[in-house]
Amino acid sequence: AQSVTQLGSHVSVSEGALVLLRCNYSSSVPPYLFWYVQYPNQGLQLLLKYTTGATLVKGINGFEAEFKKSETSFHLTKPSAHMSDAAEYFCAVSDQETSGSRLTFGEGTQLTVNP
Amino acid sequence: GAVVSQHPSWVICKSGTSVKIECRSLDFQATTMFWYRQFPKQSLMLMATSNEGSKATYEQGVEKDKFLINHASLTLSTLTVTSAHPEDSSFYICSAERTAYTDTQYFGPGTRLTVL
Repeated sequence: AQSVTQLGSHVSVSEGALVLLRCNYSSSVPPYLFWYVQYPNQGLQLLLKYTTGATLVKGINGFEAEFKKSETSFHLTKPSAHMSDAAEYFCAVSDQETSGSRLTFGEGTQLTVNP
Repeated sequence: GAVVSQHPSWVICKSGTSVKIECRSLDFQATTMFWYRQFPKQSLMLMATSNEGSKATYEQGVEKDKFLINHASLTLSTLTVTSAHPEDSSFYICSAERTAYTDTQYFGPGTRLTVL
């Protein structure tokens, strides 16, 4: 069974500051890991994903995440926050070997960007 | 690429009526689509996995007769909420995975259902 824990349901940063959203996962097999962003009353948009290969993955809008197997983490970062980054962020894991692309989501982190 | 649409984007209906929500993959074929439900300030809850040409697989606790899913083509899946009640009010989101590229789900914009 898989699970995802997002530390911090709310994160607040100043515009221009570093964004760090934490995600830890549990999986019995090599995981595929995803970060999605959701703006109010909208669906989810894929920010980035890790499947295999390079552990540092770059996504859209300047976001990146690093897969650390030893720490079972996949934290999302952005060097400089922009007001437009304010949204809900979801970390998710899938187990391709046993359940294909079926996703298990974390509880989400609401990012607030202060001017 | 990988655009998923949903229709309608919002719907208000009376208690006891049925509502159909469409999910379409616009620029790719999707053998598998997923239906989620999201309550305010909460994460997504997977309701069912929809496979083209076969019966949907429902998650535990989701009523099959309440939430009818049809996936009749490689670009269209529908979710029908039958005899809707106020507790069915929610945000329903679908996603689709590309046929032969099954490592990523692409999400639709969601449908807000309000049952009066």
